Amino acid sequence: DSGVTQTPKHLITATGQRVTLRCSPRSGDLSVYWYQQSLDQGLQFLIQYYNGEERAKGNILERFSAQQFPDLHSELNLSSLELGDSALYFCASSFYRLAGVDTQYFGPGTRLTVL
Amino acid sequence: GESVGLHLPTLSVQEGDNSIINCAYSNSASDYFIWYKQESGKGPQFIIDIRSNMDKRQGQRVTVLLNKTVKHLSLQIAATQPGDSAVYFCAENRDDKIIFGKGTRLHILP
Repeated sequence: DSGVTQTPKHLITATGQRVTLRCSPRSGDLSVYWYQQSLDQGLQFLIQYYNGEERAKGNILERFSAQQFPDLHSELNLSSLELGDSALYFCASSFYRLAGVDTQYFGPGTRLTVL
Repeated sequence: GESVGLHLPTLSVQEGDNSIINCAYSNSASDYFIWYKQESGKGPQFIIDIRSNMDKRQGQRVTVLLNKTVKHLSLQIAATQPGDSAVYFCAENRDDKIIFGKGTRLHILP
């Protein structure tokens, strides 16, 4: 158990809908990272928040957004969903602001299925 | 559940033998490398990491080797066990983002 929690574990929805994925980092960690894992793209970095502020962006679509709250949990919002958004979404956390300073620990993921 | 790509290279190793999983990276400026293990239906699990000022690092039953000259990283698992069956990802710190490779599936033969 990495100490990172994600909810829900599974999510099934329809095209055009909007969903919210939730992540709680390990106790004491300030950085939260979101990744998407699909069959054809592997693990892709989406976005990072550090202590409530956006710190780095990867291949995140404009339809997707995220935020980190004062209690350091984070939410990833996916809107106008398309079939191709079906994937596993992982959250990871670490203590430091910079990605390469310390290890990122991953949560169990949320499997999103868009029908 | 299925969590990895369809076209992963696969390494089949006899139980008890050593496994060597290789990874090439492209950015000579990358300064931090990590190996993750992902079992079916689970999130990536940290195994071992290495910084660019080192060429070898050992953990429990695992060793990571870094060859900066040819931009190559390898993970060696000693005395491979059934529980080692998983997909293994190398990752690098590139432009202050962790970039993952495509992964290698390790299959343990009884």
